[in-house]
Amino acid sequence: EAGVAQSPRYKIIEKRQSVAFWCNPISGHATLYWYQQILGQGPKLLIQFQNNGVVDDSQLPKDRFSAERLKGVDSTLKIQPAKLEDSAVYLCASSPTPGEATNEKLFFGSGTQLSVL
Amino acid sequence: AQSVTQLGSHVSVSEGALVLLRCNYSSSVPPYLFWYVQYPNQGLQLLLKYTSAATLVKGINGFEAEFKKSETSFHLTKPSAHMSDAAEYFCAVSGGTDKLIFGTGTRLQVFP
Repeated sequence: EAGVAQSPRYKIIEKRQSVAFWCNPISGHATLYWYQQILGQGPKLLIQFQNNGVVDDSQLPKDRFSAERLKGVDSTLKIQPAKLEDSAVYLCASSPTPGEATNEKLFFGSGTQLSVL
Repeated sequence: AQSVTQLGSHVSVSEGALVLLRCNYSSSVPPYLFWYVQYPNQGLQLLLKYTSAATLVKGINGFEAEFKKSETSFHLTKPSAHMSDAAEYFCAVSGGTDKLIFGTGTRLQVFP
């Protein structure tokens, strides 16, 4: 079974530029999550999708971050404009259905490491 | 609200020695507790979880954790460290929803 795919693996940009990350979840997984992992901290949930609808985006900085999952499969996370403090690893995860995060059915991608200079 | 505190951002042990990684939690509801491992340049992988069944939970790679309500702890242990155990370990808590709250992580180094 293929895992959660993310690209690019690394991205370096200057502040005030825009950047986009892509995630393709495990086939058939309805729920998709984006996490932000700042160096020295644990992952923090930014947004959760159920199919193509948003379930939780309470911690997404909506003035600069946006995310979409138009067809309920792959997803993009965008930052515009980027700030220095956005430097982090952005992790995508997926699970088959809501509530599956509390068992063994939550799977993480390898992440995109963003450096904002 | 839920939170976890991991004591010690770095832990170093010799190969064959006991591994003990500490995690204390706070939760207003019965918690679900997790340990995840992250190897370099990889995503997080679930080691084990506690969901109110047995208080001693066995996970993959010889790791186990014990839920102690009186101490609000969920420490991770392994009797004998292996070089391949070197990684970052995250404790996480959930109130039964999909929202996992992660600790700040503990980097485990294993010396030969």
